[in-house]
Amino acid sequence: DAKTTQPTSMDCAEGRAANLPCNHSTISGNEYVYWYRQIHSQGPQYIIHGLKNNETNEMASLIITEDRKSSTLILPHATLRDTAVYYCIVRRYSGGGADGLTFGKGTHLIIQP
Amino acid sequence: DTEVTQTPKHLVMGMTNKKSLKCEQHMGHRAMYWYKQKAKKPPELMFVYSYEKLSINESVPSRFSPECPNSSLLNLHLHALQPEDSALYLCASSQGIYQETQYFGPGTRLLVL
Repeated sequence: DAKTTQPTSMDCAEGRAANLPCNHSTISGNEYVYWYRQIHSQGPQYIIHGLKNNETNEMASLIITEDRKSSTLILPHATLRDTAVYYCIVRRYSGGGADGLTFGKGTHLIIQP
Repeated sequence: DTEVTQTPKHLVMGMTNKKSLKCEQHMGHRAMYWYKQKAKKPPELMFVYSYEKLSINESVPSRFSPECPNSSLLNLHLHALQPEDSALYLCASSQGIYQETQYFGPGTRLLVL
């Protein structure tokens, strides 16, 4: 799976959009970009994933650049409960069976009141 | 519903004890996973079960013994653990075995004395 690079930490004001970048310059054509977050001492929570097109769900939007070498997770109106470690993960399509997620260090997002 | 449950929430055990962690899902998922997370580190994959068969063992010491009695249940049997095995143990499941989104439980926090 391709390696990802994320900032170690970010701050965002409550009510503003939080934009979390992820660099995955070695991504290949059949690799998806997944985002998870982990609130302190809880299990990771799935947020969103995409291959090429931008995606949106009730939690967030995922913007993937045209060359697919980077992406941005957008939380449109951040609240204090969005304070968490956010993981960007690139996953290869595994035609041979289930495989695990490889977590990097992630970005610690702190929402300021 | 994307709920994965884990019991117990917390566990303290001595190095000579035998204990088990339990994970359950009722979503009809056919792949289940164990991850280990040390303090201030990202989760790391331990085991993958696909259709109730062990498909991946990430070179985990034999003092950790996974078991999948049926498609809804995953156990992790612990024996003769070391203090460095203290960690958050996370269970996850996914619907199928091909590039499927994994959903995590809340974890069991284990302390080995």
